[in-house]
Amino acid sequence: KAGVTQTPRYLIKTRGQQVTLSCSPISGHRSVSWYQQTPGQGLQFLFEYFSETQRNKGNFPGRFSGRQFSNSRSEMNVSTLELGDSALYLCASSLSRNVGEQYFGPGTRLTVT
Amino acid sequence: DAKTTQPNSMESNEEEPVHLPCNHSTISGTDYIHWYRQLPSQGPEYVIHGLTSNVNNRMASLAIAEDRKSSTLILHRATLRDAAVYYCILRGGMDSSYKLIFGSGTRLLVRP
Repeated sequence: KAGVTQTPRYLIKTRGQQVTLSCSPISGHRSVSWYQQTPGQGLQFLFEYFSETQRNKGNFPGRFSGRQFSNSRSEMNVSTLELGDSALYLCASSLSRNVGEQYFGPGTRLTVT
Repeated sequence: DAKTTQPNSMESNEEEPVHLPCNHSTISGTDYIHWYRQLPSQGPEYVIHGLTSNVNNRMASLAIAEDRKSSTLILHRATLRDAAVYYCILRGGMDSSYKLIFGSGTRLLVRP
């Protein structure tokens, strides 16, 4: 069974631009969560989607948004990029919300210049 | 959100057992104890989780204190591939919306 895939793997953007990252969960998994990882703040929870609905959101500004499609694939969008948004963005999927393990993708490395 | 405390780093010799401690004194009755690890340049990888009883799987064992205020991840025979950052996480039930809150983790160095 294929793992969690994220596209693109690397991205360079300029301040003020917007970006969309994509995540395809493991087949059959319905819950998708997004995390941001930076050297200074570590791994931080962004949001969680289940059945096309955002179920929980972390402490990030409204510039960070996401959505989930009927096939459980998810996208996250960051508008008006800032230098501090440079990070590794990780997507994780699980069968359902209350299942023990989450399976992480390799991440998208975003660099904002 | 309940927090966990882990040592910043630990070292081990290859093929020896490793005991990674975690303190979680504010754990609630519905919090599960999860362990993930992150190898260099990869996303985190699930290791094991438990609620009250000790747990074993092919990767590791999880020993949970009787009062649940601490736990220990046990790698029975460390290999070089086990060198990673290990995260101990409390994952709550519906009241915490099942999210994972990562701390700073323990960086495990395995010496050949």
